[in-house]
Amino acid sequence: DIQMTQSPASLSASLEEIVTITCKASQGIDDYLSWYQQKPGKSPQLLIYDATSLADGVPSRFSGSRSGTQYSLKISRPQVDDSGIYYCLQSYSTPNTFGAGTKLELK
Amino acid sequence: EIQLQESGPGLVKPSQSLSLTCSVTGYTITSGYDWSWIRKFPGNKMEWMGYISYSGSTNYNPSLKSRISITRDTSKNQFFLQLNSVTTEDTATYYCARWDTIAALDYWGQGVMVTVSS
Repeated sequence: DIQMTQSPASLSASLEEIVTITCKASQGIDDYLSWYQQKPGKSPQLLIYDATSLADGVPSRFSGSRSGTQYSLKISRPQVDDSGIYYCLQSYSTPNTFGAGTKLELK
Repeated sequence: EIQLQESGPGLVKPSQSLSLTCSVTGYTITSGYDWSWIRKFPGNKMEWMGYISYSGSTNYNPSLKSRISITRDTSKNQFFLQLNSVTTEDTATYYCARWDTIAALDYWGQGVMVTVSS
């Protein structure tokens, strides 16, 4: 199975910061990587697919990038509403595997 | 608008089977895509369990070995999860979701919490 090592586990950030969450794949995944946001009591919402493509309706302050086998989600000028848990998911090979999640608190 | 909705018992006894239904509206599950089950454990770990494709083929997470079965009823536009021989470690919130051609889960149900306890 491909392991997705996600960091940090939790993060407290101000509204002026740039937030970066990373997922490192244990092997190459050819950009088959998506990012999700989950708010308390809600189902996950797709933010980014194919590592860098913004899903429909997602604000442009969210972006994705890759360096080697490390993938990053960046939130520029986050808003309070961006608080929640963020997950990466690799779909290069089954079993598809998630990162452990990053809990983001905006202050 | 595409909507998915899970339903099923919230409490299952150990060693019994967990059975959940995902009802899909706004899209016919035989028209395309893969239809997935995912679960989230207490403590936030997420696990992809498997899917049934629009053609009826299935793909399961090997970690679930022979305990899992995903089937469908095309006349009702529903697909189902059955997990056998459950233990307390199967306590989780279960989600159904659509696996898009962009290789991402683009539509999710609201989730159903299932507790395994005697």
